[in-house]
Amino acid sequence: QKEVEQDPGPLSVPEGAIVSLNCTYSNSAFQYFMWYRQYSRKGPELLMYTYSSGNKEDGRFTAQVDKSSKYISLFIRDSQPSDSATYLCAMSGAGNQFYFGTGTSLTVIP
Amino acid sequence: ETGVTQSPTHLIKTRGQQVTLRCSSQSGHNTVSWYQQALGQGPQFIFQYYREEENGRGNFPPRFSGLQFPNYSSELNVNALELDDSALYLCASSPVVWGYNEQFFGPGTRLTVL
Repeated sequence: QKEVEQDPGPLSVPEGAIVSLNCTYSNSAFQYFMWYRQYSRKGPELLMYTYSSGNKEDGRFTAQVDKSSKYISLFIRDSQPSDSATYLCAMSGAGNQFYFGTGTSLTVIP
Repeated sequence: ETGVTQSPTHLIKTRGQQVTLRCSSQSGHNTVSWYQQALGQGPQFIFQYYREEENGRGNFPPRFSGLQFPNYSSELNVNALELDDSALYLCASSPVVWGYNEQFFGPGTRLTVL
């Protein structure tokens, strides 16, 4: 079993839609939860970071962590064509070694 | 402030050859991590260097080795290349090694093994 599971998609939505991206994990030692965005042929860039359980909002993006269910989500409101990218969830414990999901490919259609 | 840079951008090698990839960390960052990202997959942790010492290693064979230099730049060396080594190799730097610290990724080196 992989430590982090993520539905690879692809996901295609119309502009303005709400997008929900999810990951599950198995390692209860994970404390830090991140969402990265990766454009084609580029390195990942950090979107959101959450420590332990709870919600965090940044503009159109909301990250949720439920440690009891080992489940994290990223919501994108009012999606834009510029949001088209691959979204990667990542997690780590105390050691700063990141475990990534497979990535979900998102296309927002104008 | 200069971000993380990697060289070369692309590289083509044949099976059995050796390759060296280079990474310059962001200014002020003393920790460098290397990841392998196969096509359609998420990055997989190879190893991390902190102050010139290896500080954690993922599930990769010994033919993957690295170095970190006093200026915190780093190299990834892969010996006896195999076809499955074809991937995007990402370098990430962070300011400290303990707890959570944002890892800033470079653009990657795309390695093709024929």
